[in-house]
Amino acid sequence: DIVMTQSPDSLAVSLGERATINCKSSQTILYNSNNKNYLAWYQQKPGQPPKLLIYWASTRESGVPDRFSGSGSGTDFTLTISSLQAEDVAVYYCQQYYTTPSITFGQGTRLEIK
Amino acid sequence: EVQLVESGGGMVQPGGSLRLSCAASGFTFTSYAMNWVRQAPGKGLEWVSGIRANDGSTHYADSVKGRFTISRDNSKNTLYLQVNSLRAEDTAVYYCAKVGVGDRPGRVGVWYFDLWGRGTLVTVSS
Repeated sequence: DIVMTQSPDSLAVSLGERATINCKSSQTILYNSNNKNYLAWYQQKPGQPPKLLIYWASTRESGVPDRFSGSGSGTDFTLTISSLQAEDVAVYYCQQYYTTPSITFGQGTRLEIK
Repeated sequence: EVQLVESGGGMVQPGGSLRLSCAASGFTFTSYAMNWVRQAPGKGLEWVSGIRANDGSTHYADSVKGRFTISRDNSKNTLYLQVNSLRAEDTAVYYCAKVGVGDRPGRVGVWYFDLWGRGTLVTVSS
């Protein structure tokens, strides 16, 4: 199985500042034939199900604010929140789907307000 | 309204069984693979099982293989998960999740999840 490792496990950022979450896969999740990275990001607020933010490593889901962006390729990926809002407090997960149907999630990163 | 609504969770003794259901609405159920993802209390997300739309093929995490059975009734737009031989470590909220891309014949598919239900809690305890 591909192991997804997120860093840090938790972070605290001031309102209006940039938040950066990293995700590393144990092997490449870049499919050479279509040059796509098989990575998604989710946001989970307390008491709620996860919500899809980004897929194909950098494509924002419809309705997701543009302060959320995804980047990276191969084995190293980043979720960036350009200007943290109070409503962004949540746990964030990356997920690889390169080995569909055996997909795997990162362990999660808890984001709080400093 | 596009939604998934799970039901069937509860408290059960070790070794017991439950049947979880997920009612889908607002999209063409027959076009999408469907999955179950669970989350133990205070823990992260764990993929459990998935079923394709085109050929009904089923897939399981090693941790549940041989104990859980996923199925779907396309006439009722409903996904199921039969959970048997339950263990304490199966205690979790079980989410139903829709794949973001429709199934295509002969294609492996890409399983990221664009729609989630609110989950149903399964507690295994004596």
